[in-house]
Amino acid sequence: RKEVEQDPGPFNVPEGATVAFNCTYSNSASQSFFWYRQDCRKEPKLLMSVYSSGNEDGRFTAQLNRASQYISLLIRDSKLSDSATYLCVVNPDSNYQLIWGAGTKLIIKP
Amino acid sequence: DVKVTQSSRYLVKRTGEKVFLECVQDMDHENMFWYRQDPGLGLRLIYFSYDVKMKEKGDIPEGYSVSREKKERFSLILESASTNQTSMYLCASRLGTSYTYEQYFGPGTRLTVT
Repeated sequence: RKEVEQDPGPFNVPEGATVAFNCTYSNSASQSFFWYRQDCRKEPKLLMSVYSSGNEDGRFTAQLNRASQYISLLIRDSKLSDSATYLCVVNPDSNYQLIWGAGTKLIIKP
Repeated sequence: DVKVTQSSRYLVKRTGEKVFLECVQDMDHENMFWYRQDPGLGLRLIYFSYDVKMKEKGDIPEGYSVSREKKERFSLILESASTNQTSMYLCASRLGTSYTYEQYFGPGTRLTVT
């Protein structure tokens, strides 16, 4: 089992719809969690950190479920510009290495 | 804004050549990283450096070495390039060792080894 697993997609979603995807992690002692966004042929950029209590940034909501060992990303009122690959990143223990998922590709259609 | 630059966007090398990939960051970050990204595998850490002249092996260091003589510059060296090192190479920097800090990436170098 991979340490961090994501559905590769693609998720094809009409503009304005709500879309959600999950990321599962194998190490129950994982400390911190992030979502990065990577546009086609570009570098990854931090979208948001994921806190235990969940957090929201505009149209984006991230949740952590420690019992089931997954994090989720919800995008409301999706825009064409949301089309990208979303990378789940987990810090598995107290050191400073990160484990990266392979990404979920999202395509927003007009 | 943090800026991380990499010496080349695209590079084509022959098997057995020695390859140098350079990365420079302009924000006085302590930590720097080299990853490779391959389809379906996600980013895999090759080496990282938490300070000048310090280096640590990541998950896939075989066939690579690194150099960090100055804080702003982190170089990745492929001692003898092989076709299985064809990949996208991404450099990143981070302010410090806390895992809460964001990693900032360069634009990547797409290396093809023929």
